[in-house]
Amino acid sequence: GAGVSQSPSNKVTEKGKDVELRCDPISGHTALYWYRQSLGQGLEFLIYFQGNSAPDKSGLPSDRFSAERTGGSVSTLTIQRTQQEDSAVYLCASSPDGTDTQYFGPGTRLTVL
Amino acid sequence: AQSVTQLDSHVSVSEGTPVLLRCNYSSSYSPSLFWYVQHPNKGLQLLLKYTSAATLVKGINGFEAEFKKSETSFHLTKPSAHMSDAAEYFCVVPRFGGGATNKLIFGTGTLLAVQP
Repeated sequence: GAGVSQSPSNKVTEKGKDVELRCDPISGHTALYWYRQSLGQGLEFLIYFQGNSAPDKSGLPSDRFSAERTGGSVSTLTIQRTQQEDSAVYLCASSPDGTDTQYFGPGTRLTVL
Repeated sequence: AQSVTQLDSHVSVSEGTPVLLRCNYSSSYSPSLFWYVQHPNKGLQLLLKYTSAATLVKGINGFEAEFKKSETSFHLTKPSAHMSDAAEYFCVVPRFGGGATNKLIFGTGTLLAVQP
């Protein structure tokens, strides 16, 4: 079946602009995660959605980062007033029910000039 | 708190020789543990997972890992490397050992090079 998809695959933006990254999880998966992969920090957790529960935002690095999940499916990660240190690969993962196994999308490579 | 340490940032082997990628974990209780692989410009793929059912875990592409509580290790092995195994490998532990909000804690990764 279809896996996790993310769009765009690459995004180049100028410092100070806002960007939106999209994630389509595997159909039927109730849990959705965002991670960031950067050279300096490795792979780090950003935010977690599970069903209709309040999201766990504990990994978001600043208030410029936000995410929403509409209808329990598609999620959008928004970065406002982008900075060069936001350059990274942003990975989305989904899980059937919030238990261990997470399935990852191909990522969005964000470059902030 | 759970954590994992990958002992080698780079490993280079010749095609057809064994692969050993080392991972030690730290946890106050028996955790779940995973190995993920990331090929160049590709997403993360689950290789195998340990969930306390059996200490020797077999994964995809001929990889396996053994959970050793006495050594707090979860090393990844493969008897014979293929060129297609060249990738970055991550040892991973979920925070809270499988409870709510399974944030994955990633090791720093081991880049495996396979020489012809």
